[in-house]
Amino acid sequence: GENVEQHPSTLSVQEGDSAVIKCTYSDSASNYFPWYKQELGKRPQLIIDIRSNVGEKKDQRIAVTLNKTAKHFSLHITETQPEDSAVYFCAVLTGGGNKLTFGTGTQLKVEL
Amino acid sequence: DTAVSQTPKYLVTQMGNDKSIKCEQNLGHDTMYWYKQDSKKFLKIMFSYNNKELIINETVPNRFSPKSPDKAHLNLHINSLELGDSAVYFCASSQGTRFYGYTFGSGTRLTVV
Repeated sequence: GENVEQHPSTLSVQEGDSAVIKCTYSDSASNYFPWYKQELGKRPQLIIDIRSNVGEKKDQRIAVTLNKTAKHFSLHITETQPEDSAVYFCAVLTGGGNKLTFGTGTQLKVEL
Repeated sequence: DTAVSQTPKYLVTQMGNDKSIKCEQNLGHDTMYWYKQDSKKFLKIMFSYNNKELIINETVPNRFSPKSPDKAHLNLHINSLELGDSAVYFCASSQGTRFYGYTFGSGTRLTVV
């Protein structure tokens, strides 16, 4: 099955700095790559996604880049704020049945 | 107006008991899922139903039995609960065509003592 690796597992940045989280996947047929943010005690929520026909997508302070050849995609958060502190999950759409395989998560802490 | 709602939010029960978790979505989606999030935050798919038909059944003990009476509802029944079943269980839904990711429910924190 699909294998999704996510790094780093924890990331601490100063407010205003940028944060980058990277995921690699194994199935070259995968074509949809969402990112979810999960605040403590809350549900995962979709923050941005990208399909395989584009290389980059941006939404205000967050962006996702995709390298299909190398099979990796990254989440970029600029001008980080304390409210960005959460666990971030990448995911890959694999196989049939709209199954999302999730990465292992990155705990992002934005310090004042 | 909650899009994907789960009940109960918290469930504390003893080993060996049987319990159910219910999920309902009002988004008109035709696919629903159960995911388990363990203590290390790892999200793993358990089951998926599309229009009441089981389409994904991962390696899950037979003690777990999903049921979908209609495409807006997906329930999870767990028999003979074990300590290792303690986790947060998330229901989710998605559109079958032109996939836009999942909408998750608020989760059910199950604690087996």
